[in-house]
Amino acid sequence: GENVEQHPSTLSVQEGDSAVIKCTYSDSASNYFPWYKQELGKRPQLIIDIRSNVGEKKDQRIAVTLNKTAKHFSLHITETQPEDSAVYFCAASRGRYSTLTFGKGTMLLVSP
Amino acid sequence: EPEVTQTPSHQVTQMGQEVILRCVPISNHLYFYWYRQILGQKVEFLVSFYNNEISEKSEIFDDQFSVERPDGSNFTLKIRSTKLEDSAMYFCASSGGTAGDSNYGYTFGSGTRLTVV
Repeated sequence: GENVEQHPSTLSVQEGDSAVIKCTYSDSASNYFPWYKQELGKRPQLIIDIRSNVGEKKDQRIAVTLNKTAKHFSLHITETQPEDSAVYFCAASRGRYSTLTFGKGTMLLVSP
Repeated sequence: EPEVTQTPSHQVTQMGQEVILRCVPISNHLYFYWYRQILGQKVEFLVSFYNNEISEKSEIFDDQFSVERPDGSNFTLKIRSTKLEDSAMYFCASSGGTAGDSNYGYTFGSGTRLTVV
């Protein structure tokens, strides 16, 4: 089955800095890669996703890149703000309705 | 914005008891899922459900677990005889499947925190 590795497990940055979280996946049939933000005690919320037919997608301060050959994808957050502090999970699946396999999460702490 | 609704938000049960977790998926979605998250760990897949039957299940989803869509709106997860290790946050999710649906991806509910004592 699919295995998703996520690094780092914790990331501390100063407000205004950029943050990068990286994930690798094992299943070459995976073609959908969402990123979720989870605040303490709350549901995972989709913040951005990318399909395998594109290499990069951007939404304001958030961007995701995908390298299918190397089987890795990354989340980039620019101009970080304290409200970006949360746990971020990457995930991979074989399609829009298929099982999501999650990484172990990255706790991002943005200090003012 | 449409939401996935879960009840109860918190359930405490004694070991060996049966629990039913309830979910109301987004009304025009066709695919339904249960995931769980043990405190401090990653989200893990349990089961997916489509067209009134299980489409996929994980190793976690053993004979103690069952799912049902008893009517046109509810989707339930039953744990027949709870164990201490079943303590977790259980998330329901749904995803779209209608023609022309551009909403790619899941919507998660707010979760039910199950505590087995």
